[in-house]
Formats: sequence, structure tokens, C-alpha cells
Amino acid sequence: GNSVTQMEGPVTLSEEAFLTINCTYTATGYPSLFWYVQYPGEGLQLLLKATKADDKGSNKGFEATYRKETTSFHLEKGSVQVSDSAVYFCALSQGAQKLVFGQGTRLTINP
Amino acid sequence: NAGVMQNPRHLVRRRGQEARLRCSPMKGHSHVYWYRQLPEEGLKFMVYLQKENIIDESGMPKERFSAEFPKEGPSILRIQQVVRGDSAAYFCASSTLTSGYNEQFFGPGTRLTVL
Repeated sequence: GNSVTQMEGPVTLSEEAFLTINCTYTATGYPSLFWYVQYPGEGLQLLLKATKADDKGSNKGFEATYRKETTSFHLEKGSVQVSDSAVYFCALSQGAQKLVFGQGTRLTINP
Repeated sequence: NAGVMQNPRHLVRRRGQEARLRCSPMKGHSHVYWYRQLPEEGLKFMVYLQKENIIDESGMPKERFSAEFPKEGPSILRIQQVVRGDSAAYFCASSTLTSGYNEQFFGPGTRLTVL
């Protein structure tokens, strides 16, 4: 079946540091790929998405590129802020099917 | 356009009671998904519904759990005879397939605590 594996956390960085959160997937065919963010006590918000190979999703300074050859969708940001502290989830779906999530990576940014 | 709405936001039940969780999808969305998040874990799919139909319930426990999405009104996730292990955050998401892919919008969740 489909699965998503994320870099284990927690991850702690200083403000303005470079961020990478690794995500790899297993799926048949060509899934759509997503990064969601969850702030404390809240639901998930879509951060960015990519629907086909080589697509780059971007939003709020975050980027991720759909790499079919390595089955990866790593999340990056060049300079993180304290307000980026949250839990980040990588996910995939195929057609109208359910989202399959990774286990989440808790990110803490210190001033 | 209001987002996905869930109520109640917090629900406390004693073992053996019933829990009813409600989800109103975004306007124009006809697909509803329920997910469960146990403490410090990712979200796990439970059930996918369209109006009056259950499309995929492969993630639902075989007993005590049921879901519906009637023609009128919100989607309901019902848990009968709750146990402590049911304590979790339950999230509803809705989508439409107009874009050809499945972008799901999430509600704020219902946090169920079983005493």
C-alpha cells in the first residue's frame, strides 16, 4: 500500500537557519504530494502541493520539489522564523482517495 | 466562504457513553473525510463519504464506530460505548474534485477525552 516516511523529529533550529525536512513516499502510479502544517491546538493547514513529477510547490518561503526518481518531496526554507514553529506533515493522495500522512515532524525555532 | 466547521471542539465522555462528532464541509464540497490523531502521532484515515454514501471505510474500527453524511445536514461520526483508547483528536476534511486532484481542507478538530 501507499506510505509516507518523514524525517524524525523534533527539530530545533535558531532563527534564520536553513531548514530541510525529508519526506519519501511509496506509491503506485503518480500520487499528488502535500505538506500540511499544524499549529498548537489547531487543525491542519495546507502549506504547499505538487501534482506531478518535477513540479515545485511553494508558499510563505517554503518550497518542495516532486522528485519521481528518488520518490521524495523534501521541504525546505532558506531562513526560518520563530513563527514557523509547528508540526509539519508530508502526505500523498491518489485521485479522490484518502490522504496518507507521515508521522509528522515537530519544528521549534529559537530566537 | 466559511471553512470546514466541527463541533464540539472539546468533548468529554465517561467510559461506556456515546460520542457524536459533527462536521459541516465547506460550501460546495461533497466529499468528507474523517481522520484520527492519537497523541504525538500523525493522522490516520478513518472513512470517506459522499452525500448519502460511504465510499471507503477501510480505516474504521469494525465495532462501535459509524459515520454518515446525510442529504441534508452535517456529517456525523458516532462512537458507541467509548473506551479510554478512543481519546484522540478527530479531524474532518472536505474536498471537491474540480481541480482534478484531492486538495482537502481541514476543520479545527474535536478533541475527545474519555474518563
